[in-house]
Amino acid sequence: QQPVQSPQAVILREGEDAVINCSSSKALYSVHWYRQKHGEAPIFLMILLKGGEQKGHDKISASFNEKKQQSSLYLTASQLSYSGTYFCRGTSYDKVIFGPGTSLSVIP
Amino acid sequence: NAGVTQTPKFQVLKTGQSMTLQCAQDMNHEYMSWYRQDPGMGLRLIHYSVGAGITDQGEVPNGYNVSRSTTEDFPLRLLSAAPSQTSVYFCASSSSGNYNEQFFGPGTRLTVL
Repeated sequence: QQPVQSPQAVILREGEDAVINCSSSKALYSVHWYRQKHGEAPIFLMILLKGGEQKGHDKISASFNEKKQQSSLYLTASQLSYSGTYFCRGTSYDKVIFGPGTSLSVIP
Repeated sequence: NAGVTQTPKFQVLKTGQSMTLQCAQDMNHEYMSWYRQDPGMGLRLIHYSVGAGITDQGEVPNGYNVSRSTTEDFPLRLLSAAPSQTSVYFCASSSSGNYNEQFFGPGTRLTVL
């Protein structure tokens, strides 16, 4: 079953913060986050492994709550370049499944 | 390094035609996979391979075949194209199964009339 992402879409002004959530009904070993700009291939952002480890990449960080099977992506002080669709990718023991995506638009 | 390359970039087929989408990577990755992306549905795994000579089905394998005779190449064959296969197809590779970064190719936009 596909992970659920929320919100489906969000519009931010430059400098604002955002949180994107990814919830799974299946037990996951890891969660990946990707960003895709329109007409381009997805680009890897980070991976979260079991254990609730929080990873960061510049002003983008993420966490994985194994108990809730939920991962959150935190975008701090958003920049215009953050615009795109963000996908989570969950890995369970038997499959890899992408979420439907969250469209994020950053406006000046 | 070219990374992951895909050809063609665009393709239009008539219902019932067959074709092969090409994918190649020059990073010596063992793990390669094919996804299709449809509006509002994210990426769905079609087939994947964990090494030369080894392939397995993903979430939506019907109507597609794959083979992996070399580490570098992982072609996807559409046996008899149907309008439901209109989609954008991405090939991806990684150095091992599920814990490493996946590198995606630029995609092939396929339309089946």
